Amino acid sequence: GNSVTQMEGPVTLSEEAFLTINCTYTATGYPSLFWYVQYPGEGLQLLLKATKADDKGSNKGFEATYRKETTSFHLEKGSVQVSDSAVYFCALLNYGGATNKLIFGTGTLLAVQP
Amino acid sequence: NAGVTQTPKFQVLKTGQSMTLQCAQDMNHNSMYWYRQDPGMGLRLIYYSASEGTTDKGEVPNGYNVSRLNKREFSLRLESAAPSQTSVYFCASSEASAGYNEQFFGPGTRLTVL
Repeated sequence: GNSVTQMEGPVTLSEEAFLTINCTYTATGYPSLFWYVQYPGEGLQLLLKATKADDKGSNKGFEATYRKETTSFHLEKGSVQVSDSAVYFCALLNYGGATNKLIFGTGTLLAVQP
Repeated sequence: NAGVTQTPKFQVLKTGQSMTLQCAQDMNHNSMYWYRQDPGMGLRLIYYSASEGTTDKGEVPNGYNVSRLNKREFSLRLESAAPSQTSVYFCASSEASAGYNEQFFGPGTRLTVL
């Protein structure tokens, strides 16, 4: 079946450090891939997406490239800020039949210290 | 534009009590979803409604019922709450459930069952 595996957190970084959060997936066919972010006390927000192999999603300085050969979609940011502290979820959407469902990873907590 | 709203924000129940979580969206979306979020498990789909008048089970439907009251509203009911249902519940909506369609999330309801 479809599944998403993310690195466990928490990830603790100093401001301006480089961020990588690893995400790998298992799926049949050609899923779309997403990163969602959840700030403290809020719901999830879509951060970026990629719908086909080799696509790069980007938003707010974050990037992730859809790598079909390694079934990965790692999240990166060159210089994190305190305001990036949140939980990050990798997710996939696989097309099948009349209804598609999002499959989420377990989430990775990022804490950025000043 | 409120997006997806949920009530209540917090709730404490005793085992065996019942309650209904309310969700409404003002984006004219066809599809709505209920997820639960538990530590170390990411988000899991409880029920979804692909369109007004239809509902289907997700990954973890046991102990829950849903009602798609109209296009805007999708409620989740716990008939006899159990401690295992202590969780954070998120409602989401999307334009349609088939094809690529971003899901928009509400702020969540934190439920504790004693």
